[in-house]
Amino acid sequence: SYVLTQPPSVSVAPGQTARITCGGNNIGSKSVHWYQQKPGQAPVLVVYDDSDRPSGIPERFSGSNSGNTATLTISRVEAGDEADYYCQVWDSSSAHVVFGGGTKLTVL
Amino acid sequence: EAQLVESGGGLVQPGGSLRLSCAASGFTFSSYSMNWVRQAPGKGLEWVSYISTSSSSIYYADSVKGRFTISRDNAKNSLYLQMNSLRAEDTAVYYCARDLSLKVWGQGTLVTVSS
Repeated sequence: SYVLTQPPSVSVAPGQTARITCGGNNIGSKSVHWYQQKPGQAPVLVVYDDSDRPSGIPERFSGSNSGNTATLTISRVEAGDEADYYCQVWDSSSAHVVFGGGTKLTVL
Repeated sequence: EAQLVESGGGLVQPGGSLRLSCAASGFTFSSYSMNWVRQAPGKGLEWVSYISTSSSSIYYADSVKGRFTISRDNAKNSLYLQMNSLRAEDTAVYYCARDLSLKVWGQGTLVTVSS
């Protein structure tokens, strides 16, 4: 089955740039979606189809995807960005939705 | 505004059954595929099941295959998850989510499997 690998944690100072990676075999050939989840809340889509943003999501959130790594980039990080972030793809070979293990973003 | 509201969660004994519902509003439900996703306490997100717009394509995670059944009623704008032979490891918050990019999520309903 297809596996997505994320770092368990990323720390960044306010105003700096956070990069959260999502590794998978030839993930560049798939569409990657990213979700933000704050404690006690449902996940929220922040980037879809590798690099598109839903309406209402700040331009500070961006995504890229190439080769074996997809990346969520959060520019000018704010305290309110502290959350768990998950990447996700559709694996057509197994007909399964696949999530990464999640990355806890800490704003120092 | 698109909205999903889950219901039907609760406490059930191991081996028991439960039926979850997800009511959709604010969008044309019949035009979108749907998913169930769960999250065990303190753990990450786990996809459970997918159903296409006309119910012609249905898929399950290996962990629930043969025990859970997903269905939908487009006339009632509703999605369902019938859960049988429940185990302690099925304890989680269950979310319904719209389409394969999971653009819209419900608030979740808690299922606790315990004696």
